[in-house]
Amino acid sequence: DAEITQSPRHKITETGRQVTLACHQTWNHNNMFWYRQDLGHGLRLIHYSYGVHDTNKGEVSDGYSVSRSNTEDLPLTLESAASSQTSVYFCASSPGQLSGYTFGSGTRLTVV
Amino acid sequence: TQLLEQSPQFLSIQEGENLTVYCNSSSVFSSLQWYRQEPGEGPVLLVTVVTGGEVKKLKRLTFQFGDARKDSSLHITAAQPGDTGLYLCAGAQGSNYKLTFGKGTLLTVNP
Repeated sequence: DAEITQSPRHKITETGRQVTLACHQTWNHNNMFWYRQDLGHGLRLIHYSYGVHDTNKGEVSDGYSVSRSNTEDLPLTLESAASSQTSVYFCASSPGQLSGYTFGSGTRLTVV
Repeated sequence: TQLLEQSPQFLSIQEGENLTVYCNSSSVFSSLQWYRQEPGEGPVLLVTVVTGGEVKKLKRLTFQFGDARKDSSLHITAAQPGDTGLYLCAGAQGSNYKLTFGKGTLLTVNP
């Protein structure tokens, strides 16, 4: 069965370190998204991609980057982790607007 | 300013009661979706509504898209403990694939 997987599920890192969160989908969806979910803020869009080599900034992109070298993967990199980036991160993929998103199970990141 | 406002934020009811949650905006959306999220998991799509005034039913859940495509509601009949979760609305504008999410309604159904 097709799926979308995120790894790791939990990570603790130190301030200033570079961190990469993985997202891999086997749905063959062109559209992929990264959100962060925080109490009081809901889900906020970080970056998104509409296809290979396409990346776009979302509403909270500062301090994050993504690259899309194939259809299956959209890794999210925190260049220099900050305590404000402690959050739960969700990756999602979609074939189109009306089809909705399929979400991964999330990565809980703690920056100490 | 939140593009999509959901109300109420929290709702705790007894099994068998009916409830309605709301998703409101001053902006027009080309489509609106509802998701349910359980602890430790990602949101799961319940429904997509596209046409103003559209009503969709999913067992005991009824979804309505406002005539002007600026708001939506989710009505649950005879709530059950299994309905407990965070309900999120999300809208897309124009031909964009990206979604803007509301902050959610946390529903607890007590046995």
